[in-house]
Amino acid sequence: QLQLQESGPRLVKPSETLSLTCTVSGGSINSNSYYWGWVRQPPGKGLEWIGSIYYSGTTYYNPSLKSRVTISLDTSKKQFSLKLSSVTAADTAVYYCARQRSNMAARSEFDYWGQGTLVTVSS
Amino acid sequence: DIVMTQSPDSLAVSLGERATVNCKSSQSVLYSSNNKNYLAWYQQKPGQPPKLLFYWASTRESGVPDRFSGSVSGTDFTLTISSLQAEDVAVYYCQQYYSTPLTFGGGTKVEIK
Repeated sequence: QLQLQESGPRLVKPSETLSLTCTVSGGSINSNSYYWGWVRQPPGKGLEWIGSIYYSGTTYYNPSLKSRVTISLDTSKKQFSLKLSSVTAADTAVYYCARQRSNMAARSEFDYWGQGTLVTVSS
Repeated sequence: DIVMTQSPDSLAVSLGERATVNCKSSQSVLYSSNNKNYLAWYQQKPGQPPKLLFYWASTRESGVPDRFSGSVSGTDFTLTISSLQAEDVAVYYCQQYYSTPLTFGGGTKVEIK
């Protein structure tokens, strides 16, 4: 059974960089059949797609965050990572990593999700 | 960006009754080359990640009870729970994957009356 687990600091100071890693177990991350993505959810609010990465390193980002986001992949460690720079309180959210069941330019549903991790931006 | 608009924001339904959640896309998410609507539905219970219920608007994910159904009419999408069970209390989201940025509806909270 595929499992995804987010890890990283739960508290980040304003203007600093949020860094999270998603570790994939029970399946291959080095597959041409899937994209791997990040979705966030501010407390009590809806879902926002941040971006996705393919095993080749191809990335797609939400334009609303693109200038601040970097998603990378380490297939040897079966991990992919999110970096969000210059954070503010508005970036406080539960961050989920998830798998997309398609190789079509990140145009796919999310079929497996991590449990999510709440990251708070505060001094 | 394709805007996904869900209605209602919340609804309360008696156990065993029908619950209907609506989602409207600001433009078509039907891909003409394969005649598929690029629309997914998710269920999210408190403290849990979203769970995929449907993809291609009406294809049920493995393990999803058949009291759940998805339908489409143009740019209007509907998630129906034919006989609401206590375990169906959740927030339901639609998501389009026709184009990036991928976008979600605002969610519909389903409760027991």
